[in-house]
Amino acid sequence: KAGVTQTPRYLIKTRGQQVTLSCSPISGHRSVSWYQQTPGQGLQFLFEYFSETQRNKGNFPGRFSGRQFSNSRSEMNVSTLELGDSALYLCASSLEYSTEAFFGQGTRLTVV
Amino acid sequence: DQQVKQNSPSLSVQEGRISILNCDYTNSMFDYFLWYKKYPAEGPTFLISISSIKDKNEDGRFTVFLNKSAKHLSLHIVPSQPGDSAVYFCAAKAPYNTDKLIFGTGTRLQVFP
Repeated sequence: KAGVTQTPRYLIKTRGQQVTLSCSPISGHRSVSWYQQTPGQGLQFLFEYFSETQRNKGNFPGRFSGRQFSNSRSEMNVSTLELGDSALYLCASSLEYSTEAFFGQGTRLTVV
Repeated sequence: DQQVKQNSPSLSVQEGRISILNCDYTNSMFDYFLWYKKYPAEGPTFLISISSIKDKNEDGRFTVFLNKSAKHLSLHIVPSQPGDSAVYFCAAKAPYNTDKLIFGTGTRLQVFP
């Protein structure tokens, strides 16, 4: 059974640009969540999707957005990139209300 | 406000000894707690979880203890092995119809020979 797949693995962008990250969950998982990890910080919750609906949103500015498609694949978008957006972005998938979430390897975004 | 706290940023333990990683939380409504292990530039890997209705869960070398009155949980690794060296995150499952996890800031465990 394939795990959670995130693409791309690495990205370098310039301030002011926008970026789209992709996440393919484990087959059968319809719940997808996104997290941001910066140095010295834990994983900060960005948003959660279930059946193409955003169910929860973390405390991030409106520049961060996401969506989920009918096949449960999810994308997140960050517009007008800032240096502070440099981070490891992680996607997790789970069965709904499961006690275990499976993470992808993440996308390392560097903003220069 | 940090709802899940790991107050020890790092821990160093000799191989074969016990590693104890601690975690405190503030929200008594959390219904599940999880521990994840993370290597650099990789996603977290699930280790073990515990329901809020239990006080202990064991899986091989890993045991998690939950003290609800103190809002404290701990992960015990016995015996510790060099391959256990990683960052360990404690997470709590947010209540009310969500799969959202609230993470602590992590503890870096180093197991030396």
